[in-house]
Amino acid sequence: EDQVTQSPEALRLQEGESSSLNCSYTVSGLRGLFWYRQDPGKGPEFLFTLYSAGEEKEKERLKATLTKKESFLHITAPKPEDSATYLCAVQANQGGKLIFGQGTELSVKP
Amino acid sequence: DVKVTQSSRYLVKRTGEKVFLECVQDMDHENMFWYRQDPGLGLRLIYFSYDVKMKEKGDIPEGYSVSREKKERFSLILESASTNQTSMYLCASSLAGREQFFGPGTRLTVL
Repeated sequence: EDQVTQSPEALRLQEGESSSLNCSYTVSGLRGLFWYRQDPGKGPEFLFTLYSAGEEKEKERLKATLTKKESFLHITAPKPEDSATYLCAVQANQGGKLIFGQGTELSVKP
Repeated sequence: DVKVTQSSRYLVKRTGEKVFLECVQDMDHENMFWYRQDPGLGLRLIYFSYDVKMKEKGDIPEGYSVSREKKERFSLILESASTNQTSMYLCASSLAGREQFFGPGTRLTVL
């Protein structure tokens, strides 16, 4: 069964304290892995797509990486405005549906 | 920029009412999706559509139906609203096989 697991469920950081969020997946043929940011009461905002192992994408303080079993979202020197829930999703080769993880709730304190 | 809009941010309905949630996208995307999001359960797919007048059941279609008469518009219908359908409803659209773009969500409360 296709599955996505994110860890940790919640992460508290001090401003400037770098860390990583994990997304482990099992899927019958990976078509793409997606990262989203979601602020409370709003829809998810697209961040990155990764298609193959070894691929990396960067945007400001965020960097996403992909292996054959997991993806990491690295946050370098985070700021309070980076506080949000980060969602990971995978798309299998068969069909266009996304399978979402439960998310990691990130809190960055000044 | 891709824009996905939903007809209401907040909605309050009574048990048994018929409820329509509308979603419109402006990027000529083939695919459109309806999700609900609940604490502890994450995002769950209700229905999706790959083309006009086509629909596919997602993981939790019971109690819902959909309509896609035009490419840019995808409607979610609750035939007879129940309290367990109180939730955040999210619409998304995408090109085939590409990232999905989400609307702002509709917070539905059924009393």
